[in-house]
Amino acid sequence: EPEVTQTPSHQVTQMGQEVILRCVPISNHLYFYWYRQILGQKVEFLVSFYNNEISEKSEIFDDQFSVERPDGSNFTLKIRSTKLEDSAMYFCASSENGRGPGYGYTFGSGTRLTVV
Amino acid sequence: GNSVTQMEGPVTLSEEAFLTINCTYTATGYPSLFWYVQYPGEGLQLLLKATKADDKGSNKGFEATYRKETTSFHLEKGSVQVSDSAVYFCALNQGGKLIFGQGTELSVKP
Repeated sequence: EPEVTQTPSHQVTQMGQEVILRCVPISNHLYFYWYRQILGQKVEFLVSFYNNEISEKSEIFDDQFSVERPDGSNFTLKIRSTKLEDSAMYFCASSENGRGPGYGYTFGSGTRLTVV
Repeated sequence: GNSVTQMEGPVTLSEEAFLTINCTYTATGYPSLFWYVQYPGEGLQLLLKATKADDKGSNKGFEATYRKETTSFHLEKGSVQVSDSAVYFCALNQGGKLIFGQGTELSVKP
């Protein structure tokens, strides 16, 4: 069964450093998403991406965040200057048609980001 | 705004016990509803879904019915197994993005 692949599985970074979280969506999917889950809290929507541009973003997704599809296969989330409160599990997801879950909306296994 | 509330965990059960995990939602209109499961060290997997009122989603012995009158989507299973130990998330679809509950950890003991 096709998978969404995220790397690394765990990243530790110093506060103020830039990090890039990588995702390889399913190859025929067109819609891409990032979610995050702070330990013990809800899974929260960050951003959706289609046709090489952001289609929707949450209030969490401020100027320190950016997304990119640099080479037609990877989908990355960049955090420019990490803060302690960015420590969380980050999930990537992809969808074939953007109609949402249950229509081929697949999540990766997540990247645990720890900011120290 | 739309929101999802789940019962607090962790829930600890013995094998073959009956499981209920409560989920209620607040939404404009009638969004699709979902249960996701996260096994240790893995990603979020869609467990079941319901797209309209009175629909029952089912998979792997789990069931949930979309109740418009009580704005609920409770997850049930008649006889849990040790392999069902995981975190369960209730969610609704708001325009193609998911709004999640806080997750309920289930631990099943042999």
